[in-house]
Amino acid sequence: QLQLQESGPGLVKPSETLSLTCAVSGDSIITRDFYWAWIRQPPGERLEWIASVYYTGVTYYNPSLSSRVTMSVETSKNQFSLRLSPVTAADTATYYCARVPVVNEGYFDYWGQGTLVTVSS
Amino acid sequence: SYVLSQPPSLSVAPGQSARISCGGNNIGSKRVHWYQQRPGQAPVLVVYDNFDRPSGIPERFSGSNSDNTATLIITRVEAGDEADYYCQVWDSSYDHRAYVFGSGTKVSVL
Repeated sequence: QLQLQESGPGLVKPSETLSLTCAVSGDSIITRDFYWAWIRQPPGERLEWIASVYYTGVTYYNPSLSSRVTMSVETSKNQFSLRLSPVTAADTATYYCARVPVVNEGYFDYWGQGTLVTVSS
Repeated sequence: SYVLSQPPSLSVAPGQSARISCGGNNIGSKRVHWYQQRPGQAPVLVVYDNFDRPSGIPERFSGSNSDNTATLIITRVEAGDEADYYCQVWDSSYDHRAYVFGSGTKVSVL
């Protein structure tokens, strides 16, 4: 059974860097059939796609966040990561990692449980 | 960028049907996906590609998509269906290629 588990600091100071990792278990991250993604949800708001990565390292970013986001994949550890910098209070959200089938107009078929990140001094 | 609109809330009695709309410009030309999010939990995919169901999702969940409105239909509603529901599409606009989510609909079971 595929499992995704987010990890990282729950509190980040404004202007600093948010760093999260998603550990994948139950399947290899090296697959031609799936991308891997980060999605976030501010409290009481809608979901927002942040970025996706292929096992080769090819990345796709939401244009509204692309200037601040870096996503990478670590195949030897079967995990992928997100960096967002600099952060503001508006980046306070629950961050989810997810799997995306390689199909046209895709969707997110497996999700991690999410991790709440608060941006505050 | 592409905008998806959903009604904020919907109330339905147990055993009845719930129809959750998702509006977007010519959304009928897109593949629409739906997620269920129970309080404090991660979203779960319940319908993909307009009307297909992932394994493990009850047949009570179905979808349709035409013109400017996509719809998630839940028949024989149960207490466990109480959740927020989000629609999602891929925005292929030249200047804003991104996955886009709707504003969400909170379904309350009376």
